[in-house]
Amino acid sequence: QQQVRQSPQSLTVWEGETAILNCSYEDSTFNYFPWYQQFPGEGPALLISIRSVSDKKEDGRFTIFFNKREKKLSLHITDSQPGDSATYFCAASASSGSWQLIFGSGTQLTVMP
Amino acid sequence: EAAVTQSPRNKVTVTGGNVTLSCRQTNSHNYMYWYRQDTGHGLRLIHYSYGAGNLQIGDVPDGYKATRTTQEDFFLLLELASPSQTSLYFCASSEQGDTEVFFGKGTRLTVV
Repeated sequence: QQQVRQSPQSLTVWEGETAILNCSYEDSTFNYFPWYQQFPGEGPALLISIRSVSDKKEDGRFTIFFNKREKKLSLHITDSQPGDSATYFCAASASSGSWQLIFGSGTQLTVMP
Repeated sequence: EAAVTQSPRNKVTVTGGNVTLSCRQTNSHNYMYWYRQDTGHGLRLIHYSYGAGNLQIGDVPDGYKATRTTQEDFFLLLELASPSQTSLYFCASSEQGDTEVFFGKGTRLTVV
């Protein structure tokens, strides 16, 4: 079963627009949610993360919004740039018990100049 | 920055063949992982380890063995490779279970 779901599978925005990538999860024990960015030919790299005690995390143009009650989170990329074109993975883990990092299937973002 | 080096970067083998994928990390991280990446599935955890000599089973372990010989080195073994194991394999490491995970550049394995 997919414990972490991402949507949309692919997203195209114009340069300067805000891209919104969605993620939902099932396991209520998950309390750590990193987003990873992957460029072709490279391994994923940590972009930004949030823990469940917070409902928002900002890092420059990247913001995570977290809704614990609905088990949903989203990554907002403001002022999108062509260099942001990549695949973005939402992941989740629990700090107690099996802390395995579970990845979603990814969103492929294309930013058109 | 943490460095995770995988070898080989590309490998082609025949069905039934033996394959060993190697991984070395140079930041003395406790945790090391093997993931496979397939379109539509994201990254799926095969095996992981939290120290030399330790091995834990991930979500998709069937057909794979792993060994953690030192703090730095983690190997993935396919003893009877099958076409279903054609995939992009990533090794990764982290200091703890819920801290940043650093990935290698991947090994593309093709089983014909």
